[in-house]
Amino acid sequence: AQSVTQLDSQVPVFEEAPVELRCNYSSSVSVYLFWYVQYPNQGLQLLLKYLSGSTLVESINGFEAEFNKSQTSFHLRKPSVHISDTAEYFCAVIGGSQGNLIFGKGTKLSVKP
Amino acid sequence: DAGVIQSPRHEVTEMGQEVTLRCKPISGHNSLFWYRQTMMRGLELLIYFNNNVPIDDSGMPEDRFSAKMPNASFSTLKIQPSEPRDSAVYFCASSLRDSINQPQHFGDGTRLSIL
Repeated sequence: AQSVTQLDSQVPVFEEAPVELRCNYSSSVSVYLFWYVQYPNQGLQLLLKYLSGSTLVESINGFEAEFNKSQTSFHLRKPSVHISDTAEYFCAVIGGSQGNLIFGKGTKLSVKP
Repeated sequence: DAGVIQSPRHEVTEMGQEVTLRCKPISGHNSLFWYRQTMMRGLELLIYFNNNVPIDDSGMPEDRFSAKMPNASFSTLKIQPSEPRDSAVYFCASSLRDSINQPQHFGDGTRLSIL
């Protein structure tokens, strides 16, 4: 069965510092991985996804994630965060043949000035 | 383009009352998902539909919960009778199921408080 583990429930960082949000997955089928972001009082928004091809995927706002098959990881990184990046971030994997997502517990990123 | 639309945005009601949450998916999307989010349990998938047909409702907590999708543009999640432990944010999401890896698009959620 597919599952996702986000190792950190909260990550506090200072503005302009680098950040890494960790995600490990287990999957017995083809791996499709996603990062979603949830800003306060909003729904989840797709940040980036890995389907195939290049193992490094990027978002339009400077985040990137690298698919590492040997370590079964899909960590999210940003070299310099902004206050506006404060949000909760969810890692997800396709859970079955019907395409439903299995989400991790989420990591709350708090960027302080 | 209009995204997934959920109503109401907020609902406060007394326990024992019937609660109906509504969702309008993105036009053309043929998969619809209902989630519940709480501090304790995080994001839980309750049920999802493909082409208006319920595929997996194993996440529905108990018989008090029911979901319908009478057509491609509308779905409801009903709780009857409601209990304080049902208080949560309920999200609806939709996707285009032309392949397994299509992302889901979420509504802004309904914040439900049962007193």
